[in-house]
Amino acid sequence: DAKTTQPPSMDCAEGRAANLPCNHSTISGNEYVYWYRQIHSQGPQYIIHGLKNNETNEMASLIITEDRKSSTLILPHATLRDTAVYYCIVRVDLVLSNFGNEKLTFGTGTRLTIIP
Amino acid sequence: EPEVTQTPSHQVTQMGQEVILRCVPISNHLYFYWYRQILGQKVEFLVSFYNNEISEKSEIFDDQFSVERPDGSNFTLKIRSTKLEDSAMYFCASSEAWTGGFHTEAFFGQGTRLTVV
Repeated sequence: DAKTTQPPSMDCAEGRAANLPCNHSTISGNEYVYWYRQIHSQGPQYIIHGLKNNETNEMASLIITEDRKSSTLILPHATLRDTAVYYCIVRVDLVLSNFGNEKLTFGTGTRLTIIP
Repeated sequence: EPEVTQTPSHQVTQMGQEVILRCVPISNHLYFYWYRQILGQKVEFLVSFYNNEISEKSEIFDDQFSVERPDGSNFTLKIRSTKLEDSAMYFCASSEAWTGGFHTEAFFGQGTRLTVV
């Protein structure tokens, strides 16, 4: 799986959009970008994933550059409960990853602090 | 909303003792995982389990560790002869089996904090 690079920490004011960048310059064509977060040593929580198109769900938006070498997770209206470590993970699609094995390789992530 | 349940939330054990960490995955999930996180460090993959056998394991998962699905609902991690360096948060996770799409999501439990003294 491709390696990712994230800033170690970021701050964002409550109510503003939080934009978390991730570099994955060695990503290959069959690899997806996944985002998980971990709130204060709880179990990681899935946020969103994408291949090449921008994606949006009830939690966040994911913007992937055209060359797929970087992406940005956007939390549109950050709240104090969004304070967490955010992990950008690149992994192969399921056809190549043993049909459903969701093994994840976590990096150090970005510690996002939402400031009141 | 369905969730992965882990017990106990905190376990203290003496060095050299055996511990069993328990997990109840989401009921229709078929893939099960154990991860660990040593305080201040990354979340590390230990093992994945499917169809009553290990499908993948990391270098960390040596002979000291074993997993079992003793019945239709529980998934356990046994650590034999615990060492001080086994102190960590252990997370269980589960996911659906692939059904033709390109994504399944891993759901994590809240973890068991293991302290070896």
